[in-house]
Amino acid sequence: DQQVKQNSPSLSVQEGRISILNCDYTNSMFDYFLWYKKYPAEGPTFLISISSIKDKNEDGRFTVFLNKSAKHLSLHIVPSQPGDSAVYFCAARAGGSQGNLIFGKGTKLSVKP
Amino acid sequence: NAGVMQNPRHLVRRRGQEARLRCSPMKGHSHVYWYRQLPEEGLKFMVYLQKENIIDESGMPKERFSAEFPKEGPSILRIQQVVRGDSAAYFCASSPRTGEGSPLHFGNGTRLTVT
Repeated sequence: DQQVKQNSPSLSVQEGRISILNCDYTNSMFDYFLWYKKYPAEGPTFLISISSIKDKNEDGRFTVFLNKSAKHLSLHIVPSQPGDSAVYFCAARAGGSQGNLIFGKGTKLSVKP
Repeated sequence: NAGVMQNPRHLVRRRGQEARLRCSPMKGHSHVYWYRQLPEEGLKFMVYLQKENIIDESGMPKERFSAEFPKEGPSILRIQQVVRGDSAAYFCASSPRTGEGSPLHFGNGTRLTVT
């Protein structure tokens, strides 16, 4: 049973445009959400996070939106750059948990020059 | 990712051999997590440790897998009598504490191939 779902395995965007990556979750106990970026042969790198008490968090070109009622979050990258091409993982943590994260299967973003 | 050190980067084992994967957390981090990634899959939680204690091993297979984080030295993930299905990328992560504001920081992984 997948608690964190990324339904789009891949996304292709033109350089300079907006990239929108989506993530859905099923566990209402999740209260902290994170996005990681992963290049081939490297480990995931933390990108941005959001607490369930907020609906938006912004860091430079990256913005995460959280819709608790829909159990949906999204990552917006604007403007997209070729260096953003990577696999993006959505992750969630349950409140009161020991700290381990539940990951989605990832979305491969390709930003074309 | 340079902060969390994993070795070896690549490990080849024949079926039935033992695999030992090492992880040194970032300086000042006392929480260590092991994850496994199969091809085309996300990262699956295996085990969470603090120094000398296993806190949560709910993701660990019941047999052949064990983990430790001794008082001195790196955390070790040990797989006995490896089988082909153990072939995967194993990632270690660390954090200074749990809770919000404590994202996990990952190493570059160990890619285990069982022949």
